[in-house]
Amino acid sequence: DVKVTQSSRYLVKRTGEKVFLECVQDMDHENMFWYRQDPGLGLRLIYFSYDVKMKEKGDIPEGYSVSREKKERFSLILESASTNQTSMYLCASIPPGRGYGYTFGSGTRLTVV
Amino acid sequence: AQKITQTQPGMFVQEKEAVTLDCTYDTSDQSYGLFWYKQPSSGEMIFLIYQGSYDEQNATEGRYSLNFQKARKSANLVISASQLGDSAMYFCAMREVLYNFNKFYFGSGTKLNVKP
Repeated sequence: DVKVTQSSRYLVKRTGEKVFLECVQDMDHENMFWYRQDPGLGLRLIYFSYDVKMKEKGDIPEGYSVSREKKERFSLILESASTNQTSMYLCASIPPGRGYGYTFGSGTRLTVV
Repeated sequence: AQKITQTQPGMFVQEKEAVTLDCTYDTSDQSYGLFWYKQPSSGEMIFLIYQGSYDEQNATEGRYSLNFQKARKSANLVISASQLGDSAMYFCAMREVLYNFNKFYFGSGTKLNVKP
């Protein structure tokens, strides 16, 4: 079975800290994505990557950066965490081709205090 | 403009009855995909059903069917014979293929509560 693993399920960080959220997939997918999910807003795309070292901004990239040094790993970085970044973060990957949906990780619920 | 609109923030349905969750979308592409995902309280996102824009028949997966009306740009999810385990958030999503990228747009979700 295909798998996307997010390293932490729950995380509490202090304002101003640098935060790393890790995502690993075992399906050799080129495309990987980071979303945040907030009540009433659905899922919003932060960044995506279509290959190693390649990245593209999504709809809400401000305050975030990403790293993709290996195909299987896509990291989301909060350079200086703020309370408005308290959210659920979801990582997803997808193979090329039109008929496929995302495989999601189980999510990281981040609280910034 | 919103790419995906789900107008029902919350819905109730009696166990064993059918329920329809609404979804409308906005795209100028001819080729796109429509998806529904379920998110239980545990937080994981579970893929339910897929409809391609060129598919002539409505997609079905067990108790789930997608009522695809292309001219109206709607892709409603129908759950037949609701079960208590169907209580969850449901998200409609659309995929646009840009070069090699698969970019998805999600609606704000509908919270379904199934009553015993």
